[in-house]
Amino acid sequence: GAGVSQSPRYKVAKRGQDVALRCDPISGHVSLFWYQQALGQGPEFLTYFQNEAQLDKSGLPSDRFFAERPEGSVSTLKIQRTQQEDSAVYLCASSQDRGRNRELFFGEGSRLTVL
Amino acid sequence: AQSVTQPDIHITVSEGASLELRCNYSYGATPYLFWYVQSPGQGLQLLLKYFSGDTLVQGIKGFEAEFKRSQSSFNLRKPSVHWSDAAEYFCAVAATAGKSTFGDGTTLTVKP
Repeated sequence: GAGVSQSPRYKVAKRGQDVALRCDPISGHVSLFWYQQALGQGPEFLTYFQNEAQLDKSGLPSDRFFAERPEGSVSTLKIQRTQQEDSAVYLCASSQDRGRNRELFFGEGSRLTVL
Repeated sequence: AQSVTQPDIHITVSEGASLELRCNYSYGATPYLFWYVQSPGQGLQLLLKYFSGDTLVQGIKGFEAEFKRSQSSFNLRKPSVHWSDAAEYFCAVAATAGKSTFGDGTTLTVKP
């Protein structure tokens, strides 16, 4: 597609529910990143894929967070047993990530509110 | 470990005035540096990037930034601010491949 697409744009979950957030990157972009952005903060790194391989998941805050990219294209970020502190905007970005082309192309984000 | 500091949380300038947003980074090697802009409810958009070579880089919307290795800085500038420049601005540093680390951002308000 022309840009990075994320769905849903808004998600309200009750505490304890599981949620799944989808990211459709720019076609041909090898790398895909998930970031978490709390109100008034900069994006915080969660995890990074190169094709289908998850090369870095050091930013995932707990084992309730899980991400996958099984065919090297679309990615899903899953949060199990959501807690109020999970409320944030979840940003997905893709990149060619080689040579001089390392800038990130961001989607509009998925805003998660946990009640 | 890489890190970014944006010392100014909020800056207000008058329309037509010049702008400088500060960014300091920490990274062991020659960094890849970026400035992104975020409007409310939107994702981040790249303004400009630095990898090597000329330390003064030009970006979109009339923005420029200067890399100063001795000061570990990558400040963003614009000679004349427009009302549409009001947004949040993020500086980021990246290793050769993999994740970018972002500062906490500077919110720009433009007075008429």
